[in-house]
Amino acid sequence: AQTVTQSQPEMSVQEAETVTLSCTYDTSESDYYLFWYKQPPSRQMILVIRQEAYKQQNATENRFSVNFQKAAKSFSLKISDSQLGDAAMYFCAYRTSQGGSEKLVFGKGTKLTVNP
Amino acid sequence: DGGITQSPKYLFRKEGQNVTLSCEQNLNHDAMYWYRQDPGQGLRLIYYSQIVNDFQKGDIAEGYSVSREKKESFPLTVTSAQKNPTAFYLCASNQFWGGNEQFFGPGTRLTVL
Repeated sequence: AQTVTQSQPEMSVQEAETVTLSCTYDTSESDYYLFWYKQPPSRQMILVIRQEAYKQQNATENRFSVNFQKAAKSFSLKISDSQLGDAAMYFCAYRTSQGGSEKLVFGKGTKLTVNP
Repeated sequence: DGGITQSPKYLFRKEGQNVTLSCEQNLNHDAMYWYRQDPGQGLRLIYYSQIVNDFQKGDIAEGYSVSREKKESFPLTVTSAQKNPTAFYLCASNQFWGGNEQFFGPGTRLTVL
C-alpha cells in the first residue's frame, strides 16, 4: 500500500523568508500524481500545486515550487517570500490508481507558522 | 458558482444515535469521497464512489455507511457502531481519472455528547 510521510509536524518561518516542507512517499507504481494542499484556520482545503510523475520538470505556482526527486521518492514544497497568509496546515498527497480505483493518500501534515 | 456544499457545519449527537452528513456538488464530477480528520492524523478515507449506485470502502469504513443515488449527492451516515465519531468530516469530488484536482467542501464538525 502507498504511504506518504511528512517528517516535520511543525515548521516556522520569518515573513519574507523561504521555507521548505518535506514529503516522502512509498509506491511501486511508475505513473502517478502528487499534490500539496493547504488548510488554513478556516479548514477549507485548497490545492497549492500538482506534479505529474512522468514530467521531470518541477512544478511552480508563483511563490510555490516543488523539488520532485522520483528515484528518491521525495516531493518537497518550497515557499518563497513567505507571507502571513501562508500560515496553515500543509498536506502532501499521492494519487493512486491501484486496482482501478483512484484515490488520494495523505500525509499527516505540517503546521506552518509565519512570524512577522 | 460551482462547488461542494456540506451541511450542517456543526452537528451534535447523543451516543447511540445515527446521524447523516450531507454532501452535494454541482461540478458534474464523477467521483466523490468522504474523509475523516483528527488532530495529528491527516485525512483518512472513509468511503468513495466513482459512479452512481456504486461505492467502495476506504481505510476506515467501519461504523459508517453511504449511498450514491444521484451523481451530485453522496451522504454519509455515522452509525452507533462507530466507536469514536467525534471528528471533522470532509467531502471531496473530482473528475474521474487523470491528475485532476480534488475539490473539497467546507467540512462538518461532528461532536458526540
